[in-house]
Amino acid sequence: GAVVSQHPSRVICKSGTSVKIECRSLDFQATTMFWYRQFPKQSLMLMATSNEGSKATYEQGVEKDKFLINHASLTLSTLTVTSAHPEDSSFYICSARDYSGGGFETQYFGPGTRLLVL
Amino acid sequence: GQQLNQSPQSMFIQEGEDVSMNCTSSSIFNTWLWYKQDPGEGPVLLIALYKAGELTSNGRLTAQFGITRKDSFLNISASIPSDVGIYFCAGSIQGAQKLVFGQGTRLTINP
Repeated sequence: GAVVSQHPSRVICKSGTSVKIECRSLDFQATTMFWYRQFPKQSLMLMATSNEGSKATYEQGVEKDKFLINHASLTLSTLTVTSAHPEDSSFYICSARDYSGGGFETQYFGPGTRLLVL
Repeated sequence: GQQLNQSPQSMFIQEGEDVSMNCTSSSIFNTWLWYKQDPGEGPVLLIALYKAGELTSNGRLTAQFGITRKDSFLNISASIPSDVGIYFCAGSIQGAQKLVFGQGTRLTINP
């Protein structure tokens, strides 16, 4: 299957600082990527849909000024958590949409980024 | 909005047993995907289904896209310790970009 990477895998930061997480599709081009947040023992919660070359679409209740998304190329989307606070501590996972399988779409996930805000 | 009901929420089985889990939706889906997530990792795609009635296998895993297009099941035969993890179903409707996820099935295997 296709490979999606995330960097960093783990980050610890002080309250009030900003943190950038990168999501890359390594062997395919992804016009659409997605950012999820996952709390312990829960399912994935979609935060936003990232479209290459256009503004991201945020889910209801997700602050777009708090979680800045940039999808500047067909293989890279970034999520910046601005002015992070302890309640932003979570597991953030990206996925990339792949159409290369004969026209059928699939989403491949990155390995996730564990954010801890002190 | 669309919701997926995944069951069971958890399973405790003996090594070697077969496992079955399923997802149902209130809407018609045109894609069903099954993922496995290990602790601290991102979900890994197991099986993708695109046609009603489609039955697809991946090793000891078998999944089917229900005829009504509102359900899907995943079977694991002869379970082994590395099958432990959380299994998620996910689906999308025609024309929608995003996936809807089930709540997950946590599989625990007693050796």
